[in-house]
Amino acid sequence: GESVGLHLPTLSVQEGDNSIINCAYSNSASDYFIWYKQESGKGPQFIIDIRSNMDKRQGQRVTVLLNKTVKHLSLQIAATQPGDSAVYFCAEFGNQFYFGTGTSLTVIP
Amino acid sequence: GAVVSQHPSWVICKSGTSVKIECRSLDFQATTMFWYRQFPKQSLMLMATSNEGSKATYEQGVEKDKFLINHASLTLSTLTVTSAHPEDSSFYICSARPPVGAAKKSAKNIQYFGAGTRLSVL
Repeated sequence: GESVGLHLPTLSVQEGDNSIINCAYSNSASDYFIWYKQESGKGPQFIIDIRSNMDKRQGQRVTVLLNKTVKHLSLQIAATQPGDSAVYFCAEFGNQFYFGTGTSLTVIP
Repeated sequence: GAVVSQHPSWVICKSGTSVKIECRSLDFQATTMFWYRQFPKQSLMLMATSNEGSKATYEQGVEKDKFLINHASLTLSTLTVTSAHPEDSSFYICSARPPVGAAKKSAKNIQYFGAGTRLSVL
């Protein structure tokens, strides 16, 4: 795996606003992507996934967008709530499973 | 989603002692489990891939004699940090992947994570 131990970028949003978290992936052969949410002191939790034959997938209050041309993945959270405050990681899977550096989301009440 | 149990959630030990962390998949058989290490405010770093019934595959830079992995059954993998030192203090997380065919097609490569183990070495 090539998860890189870089310090996390941060994003602050007002409660009720929409959040967009971005992720650039490196392997053009990756065909499966997952967004995970990690709260402080806990393990990552699955949020939503998408395969490379799709460019958009919606869940409950979350939408994942995939742009294979520029190798970019985004997670949109609608009507962000304080409980959404966490670190969000994207993960790509081709031959191996790689995590992105993560983004720390803080929701301001 | 599937449940992966990790134990203990927090362990404090003296320098020089060994610590064992358990990872169990509770509702599926996991032929492959993964061990990650995470420093504060950093991403997860894959340490090793644990394969049931065979030797673990370690990532570059990870000492296999320091971090012993045993995957003796389809539901249990253990990570033993031998002769722990303060620099080993970290958050260790395991994950398990359902075998091919056990998960729906769109999620065939999904990994389910344990809650993590915080190791503090004094």
